[in-house]
Amino acid sequence: QLQLQESGPGLVKPLETLSLTCTVSGGSISSSDYYWGWIRQPPGKGLEWIGTIYYSGSTYYNPSLKSRVTIFVDMSKNQFSLKLSSVTAADTAVYYCARHLVTIFGVLTRLNWFDPWGQGTLVTVSS
Amino acid sequence: QSALTQPASVSGSPGQSITISCTGTSSDVGGYNYVSWYQQHPGKAPKLMIYDVNNRPSGVSNRFSGSKSGNTASLTISGLQAEDEAVYYCSSYTSSTTLVFGGGTKLTVL
Repeated sequence: QLQLQESGPGLVKPLETLSLTCTVSGGSISSSDYYWGWIRQPPGKGLEWIGTIYYSGSTYYNPSLKSRVTIFVDMSKNQFSLKLSSVTAADTAVYYCARHLVTIFGVLTRLNWFDPWGQGTLVTVSS
Repeated sequence: QSALTQPASVSGSPGQSITISCTGTSSDVGGYNYVSWYQQHPGKAPKLMIYDVNNRPSGVSNRFSGSKSGNTASLTISGLQAEDEAVYYCSSYTSSTTLVFGGGTKLTVL
């Protein structure tokens, strides 16, 4: 059974870089069928897609966060990671990682559903 | 990209059916059959309930069904049960090669 687990600091200072890692167990991150994604949820608010990566390193990012986001894969550890720079209080959220189905039709890419999800980790931005 | 539009709340009594709408544009919901629905209980991670508009993952009750007409997708829950009380989110692929979520709908089982 595939499981994902987020890890990283729960408190980050304003203007610093938020760094989180998602460890995948029960399956390989280098599976050719799936991508891997990050989603966040500010307290009491809705879900926001952050970005998605394939094991080869191909990435897709939310345009509203793209200038501050980097997602990368470490196949040797079966992990993928998120870095979000220059954080502010608005970046305070529960951050989830999830397996992401991305459908490819030749040169066309279709971002689809997330399943399963990690349990999420709360990151607070505060001095 | 703008979030998809969902009603803030819906309610129903046990045994009844409810429908949650998710309205987008021709650049997302209306243009592609890549609409998904997620259920989130308080303090828990979202759970995939419907994918590709009207498909249920293994293990999801057949009381949950999805549909789409034009730019609006819908999630219907029949035979409401107390355990269905949760927040439901829709999501869709967009023509900008991004993914957008709805604002969420809180379902109350009376």
